[in-house]
Amino acid sequence: EVQLLESGGGLAQPGGSLRLSCAASGFTFNTYAMTWVRQAPGQGLEWVSAISGGGDSTYYADSVKGRFTISRDNSKNTLYLQMNSLRAEDTAVYYCARDLSWPTNWGQGTLVTVSS
Amino acid sequence: EIVMTQSPPTLSVSPGERATLSCRASQSVSSNLAWYQQKPGQAPRLLIYGASTRATGIPARFSGSGSGTEFTLTISSLQSEDFAVYYCQQYNNWPPLTFGGGTKVEIK
Repeated sequence: EVQLLESGGGLAQPGGSLRLSCAASGFTFNTYAMTWVRQAPGQGLEWVSAISGGGDSTYYADSVKGRFTISRDNSKNTLYLQMNSLRAEDTAVYYCARDLSWPTNWGQGTLVTVSS
Repeated sequence: EIVMTQSPPTLSVSPGERATLSCRASQSVSSNLAWYQQKPGQAPRLLIYGASTRATGIPARFSGSGSGTEFTLTISSLQSEDFAVYYCQQYNNWPPLTFGGGTKVEIK
């Protein structure tokens, strides 16, 4: 069974940093692209970033480009999202998901709140 | 960036009735469209990809149709567990992947 478990969310100050992790199990992690999607409170879904299975290709939404960095450690079956220069508008539940074009399996999400 | 527009924002339907949800793309996305269901407090669940292919384990009462810029998700006979928010998403031109604003299906 595919399982994705996000962690690392919490409260951060504007301009601060957080690193999200997503621990994957139940599939061959290094053969799948991975995706981060976020959802602001009471709002819809917004694609954030994606990375290829080998980690050599990365993609970002314009809203986070230059501030967020996606990476993965295939030896640990873990996906990361390093978030720097956080803004109030980054407040959201962050989901990791397997696959790129149509994310198939999703974690339960981790809440990031950016506030002073 | 391709803009996805869903209508209506809210759909009131009685259990057992048919629900028809619409999604429009600002330019052609061919058949590169997916649908998701999200219940309160839960992660989205993939229902449909390729505009009309049901994902693993999705009941046959869910069907998708359309191509180009106009798409439809039909739930043939609404069950209690189907009341949720539904999102469409294109993957024809990316990055970015883009989602519609969602349609909430509520009990009439």
